[in-house]
Amino acid sequence: NAGVTQTPKFQVLKTGQSMTLQCAQDMNHNSMYWYRQDPGMGLRLIYYSASEGTTDKGEVPNGYNVSRLNKREFSLRLESAAPSQTSVYFCASRRQGSSSTDTQYFGPGTRLTVL
Amino acid sequence: GNSVTQMEGPVTLSEEAFLTINCTYTATGYPSLFWYVQYPGEGLQLLLKATKADDKGSNKGFEATYRKETTSFHLEKGSVQVSDSAVYFCALSGFQGAQKLVFGQGTRLTINP
Repeated sequence: NAGVTQTPKFQVLKTGQSMTLQCAQDMNHNSMYWYRQDPGMGLRLIYYSASEGTTDKGEVPNGYNVSRLNKREFSLRLESAAPSQTSVYFCASRRQGSSSTDTQYFGPGTRLTVL
Repeated sequence: GNSVTQMEGPVTLSEEAFLTINCTYTATGYPSLFWYVQYPGEGLQLLLKATKADDKGSNKGFEATYRKETTSFHLEKGSVQVSDSAVYFCALSGFQGAQKLVFGQGTRLTINP
């Protein structure tokens, strides 16, 4: 049981290049999320998917697209990378249930640098 | 909109000291409140949570009480250890619906032996 996995761990891009960050979970969770973490700002929600086949914008969606390929996988795409997208990206999946068990589980993150 | 404000860091303490990290929030309705911890090089892990007023969340010796009257959820531990060194994030969300977490800026804690 690997939990939430993310690839790659590190990536350097030049301005204007595109790339896709991959996320997969093996916990059979319906909901998945993408966050970015910037120094001094905590994490901010980019996009989320409440269930397979649905996606919705979060707080900072501009410059990103997402795909919920199936129940396990939720990818984040940067079509034309900009230096402002230099950040650490975290994927999470959510175990839904009662108020005491409802929890998000986070992957290890992808550190992206855009030059 | 919803927001979370955390105590400024970094915080440095000696082993066995008492820890408090302050967290206050602004939200409509009745949010759920969380503390997450991030160890170096890792993703976030849920430390504890509380879902209604006056609830106390606890885990690994850490505690936090949901105070609606002061809109606060301060994290406390009676005796910290070197292994508690990490970044701590306070967060909130509405329980119903998509659980879109709103995070504070994080507080880096270093414990010296």
